[in-house]
Amino acid sequence: AQKVTQAQTEISVVEKEDVTLDCVYETRDTTYYLFWYKQPPSGELVFLIRRNSFDEQNEISGRYSWNFQKSTSSFNFTITASQVVDSAVYFCALRGSNYQLIWGAGTKLIIKP
Amino acid sequence: DTAVSQTPKYLVTQMGNDKSIKCEQNLGHDTMYWYKQDSKKFLKIMFSYNNKELIINETVPNRFSPKSPDKAHLNLHINSLELGDSAVYFCASSQLPNTGELFFGEGSRLTVL
Repeated sequence: AQKVTQAQTEISVVEKEDVTLDCVYETRDTTYYLFWYKQPPSGELVFLIRRNSFDEQNEISGRYSWNFQKSTSSFNFTITASQVVDSAVYFCALRGSNYQLIWGAGTKLIIKP
Repeated sequence: DTAVSQTPKYLVTQMGNDKSIKCEQNLGHDTMYWYKQDSKKFLKIMFSYNNKELIINETVPNRFSPKSPDKAHLNLHINSLELGDSAVYFCASSQLPNTGELFFGEGSRLTVL
């Protein structure tokens, strides 16, 4: 069975703090893809990143970084120097051999000014 | 230009009524989806079409019927609306089936009274 767990339901930090959103996945597939999406208060889901199972290099995009560790089946997302505009619900997702996206429950991130 | 557009954005209706939500994408993508997001933000795939053909049909009541007149449009018709149908419905598209990199519309919030 495939599963994505985002154990943090809600995180609240003060602006400029760093924050890490956890994502743990389960799959028996050897080839799979992991994703992060952002859903700001406006509602629209926005694709952030895709990572395949053969590429464990960490990715950095501005203040965003992703840490993929197969040994712990985790694909964590860190925002450095958070800003109020980062406030959103963030979803982690997994795509395995059945080609369907398995979504986590989402983590609501609140950045306080 | 909005890449994936849904109408209406808000829909309030009585139980038992029939309603439709329209979706159009101008990205030239082959695949379109309908997702349901409940009040706890949980995302559930409902349907997926690739080049007007149904490829994903999850366990949803048969009161829900998707229609794809062409690959740029995917509409959702709901018969005999029930209270439990209240949710936000998202349309999405992707270049290829099940790539996982989805482009979402802004969502249509359906409230059944």
